Amino acid sequence: SQKIEQNSEALNIQEGKTATLTCNYTNYSPAYLQWYRQDPGRGPVFLLLIRENEKEKRKERLKVTFDTTLKQSLFHITASQPADSATYLCALRSNTDKLIFGTGTRLQVFP
Amino acid sequence: KAGVTQTPRYLIKTRGQQVTLSCSPISGHRSVSWYQQTPGQGLQFLFEYFSETQRNKGNFPGRFSGRQFSNSRSEMNVSTLELGDSALYLCASRGTTNEKLFFGSGTQLSVL
Repeated sequence: SQKIEQNSEALNIQEGKTATLTCNYTNYSPAYLQWYRQDPGRGPVFLLLIRENEKEKRKERLKVTFDTTLKQSLFHITASQPADSATYLCALRSNTDKLIFGTGTRLQVFP
Repeated sequence: KAGVTQTPRYLIKTRGQQVTLSCSPISGHRSVSWYQQTPGQGLQFLFEYFSETQRNKGNFPGRFSGRQFSNSRSEMNVSTLELGDSALYLCASRGTTNEKLFFGSGTQLSVL
């Protein structure tokens, strides 16, 4: 069956360090993968989209990689700040054209 | 440009009742998707509408239905509410040539 897996355990890191979040998928062949940020009680907010022919994409302190062989995407936040604390979701389009989300990883950045 | 607007923000209903949630997409967006979010299951796809037609549907019972109007506004309806329907219901819109979704703040539904 098709699955998108993100680490369900919270990731706790110190301010200034690099946070790395993982998204693994099985039985998908996505043309692209997206990352969203969600704060409590709010809807997700789009951050980055990476296509299958792109190995890496950057936006300010954010970096995303996409390995279609490993079926994995890594999401990095460099020089993390307490304001980066949120839940981060990966999403990809299923074979039946639905945009499916992982369960998300909660990131907590401590001062 | 105004964002995606969902109403109401909070709703409390009792088992057996029915509920209608409303979503106004970003101006010019013709695609509207609905998701249910619960702590245990994460974001679950309900359905997607484009130009008043349902394009796709998730694995939810027939009690969950939706529609889209000619102005792209969308409503979803849940009939015969169950306790397990308590969740944050999120609506998202996207442009025709854009893959990214713009979400509303959601409607928090509590079924007692």
